[in-house]
Amino acid sequence: AQSVTQPDIHITVSEGASLELRCNYSYGATPYLFWYVQSPGQGLQLLLKYFSGDTLVQGIKGFEAEFKRSQSSFNLRKPSVHWSDAAEYFCAVGGMDSSYKLIFGSGTRLLVRP
Amino acid sequence: GAVVSQHPSRVICKSGTSVKIECRSLDFQATTMFWYRQFPKQSLMLMATSNEGSKATYEQGVEKDKFLINHASLTLSTLTVTSAHPEDSSFYICSAHTRMNTEAFFGQGTRLTVV
Repeated sequence: AQSVTQPDIHITVSEGASLELRCNYSYGATPYLFWYVQSPGQGLQLLLKYFSGDTLVQGIKGFEAEFKRSQSSFNLRKPSVHWSDAAEYFCAVGGMDSSYKLIFGSGTRLLVRP
Repeated sequence: GAVVSQHPSRVICKSGTSVKIECRSLDFQATTMFWYRQFPKQSLMLMATSNEGSKATYEQGVEKDKFLINHASLTLSTLTVTSAHPEDSSFYICSAHTRMNTEAFFGQGTRLTVV
């Protein structure tokens, strides 16, 4: 079955500290992987995506993610968190075989301490 | 990136009435649009896939007679919640996809409140 697991419901970090949000997926074919960010009451903004090639992907706002096929993971990282990064983060998986339908994880809420 | 506009952003309606939500791709032609529902503090659940000129494909458990989807053109898909009830209150988000780009672009969402 296709699924995405984000094991951390909430994460709190201090401003300036590093961040890693975990994402594990289960997908039968070649996965397309995404990280989205959602501010309260807003739509989703794409942070980064992985389709193929280099397994370390750079995104917007200083975020990066690493695809590890052996671990079925696609963890999101940022070396230094800003207060404006506080939001809900969703990992998603899709693929050409599923007509690009996205399956989302349950989300991780990031809180940033001043 | 491409822009997807969703309207209205908020709507309050009375129980038993119908509500239409529009999803437009402003600067590209969307061969496929997706409709998601998001409950408070939960993830997005795919409701249906809408292809231009054909009937929508609904996910298991989604009532097709309750959630009517029309994809009349390559830039517009509509979701109509018919005979709305309080349990239909939710955040509805659309996304648009084109064959030329494997990325889906999301609208800003619609907060529906049924009273």
